[in-house]
Amino acid sequence: GQSLEQPSEVTAVEGAIVQINCTYQTSGFYGLSWYQQHDGGAPTFLSYNALDGLEETGRFSSFLSRSDSYGYLLLQELQMKDSASYFCAVRPGGDSSYKLIFGSGTRLLVRP
Amino acid sequence: DTGVSQDPRHKITKRGQNVTFRCDPISEHNRLYWYRQTLGQGPEFLTYFQNEAQLEKSRLLSDRFSAERPKGSFSTLEIQRTEQGDSAMYLCASSLMGQGVPKYGYTFGSGTRLTVV
Repeated sequence: GQSLEQPSEVTAVEGAIVQINCTYQTSGFYGLSWYQQHDGGAPTFLSYNALDGLEETGRFSSFLSRSDSYGYLLLQELQMKDSASYFCAVRPGGDSSYKLIFGSGTRLLVRP
Repeated sequence: DTGVSQDPRHKITKRGQNVTFRCDPISEHNRLYWYRQTLGQGPEFLTYFQNEAQLEKSRLLSDRFSAERPKGSFSTLEIQRTEQGDSAMYLCASSLMGQGVPKYGYTFGSGTRLTVV
């Protein structure tokens, strides 16, 4: 089977740093993506890691360790607007498949 | 370009009725995906198209579900003989060919929320 595990909920204070972990078990691996979804909204792409290491985009960074089947999303200088659900997603297929498999999501609550 | 558009935003239907949803992707994107999302869960893959060809279907997609993408532009998802278990948000996404999971990712629409009563 294919599965992605991430915490269901995380709470943090405005201005702080939070890390959302994701471990995956899939038949293949072509990269780990992160998406943000506000209540009632569409998932929005945040980041993508195909190789080991850290990718930084503004306040958001994403890390991947392929040997550990593990990645995380790091959010710095948290703002109230960062309260949302965050999903990790893996493309497990080969050259002929471009579907993404999503985790169940981590609900982030940012408190004042 | 206004992104991925889905219509309708909400649909309430009686059990046993047929429903059809429409998705208009970003015009230059030639891959189109349908996902289903229930409350508190991540999107579940249903099917995807490259141009007009339907290349993959999930085992979740029963015979009551059918999707089309005539002429490789907009797509429709039809559910026949709806059941209460079909109640969910149906999301459409598009991406540009040649980039696998592109660095800018899939662009999702805001979804169609289906309620079967």
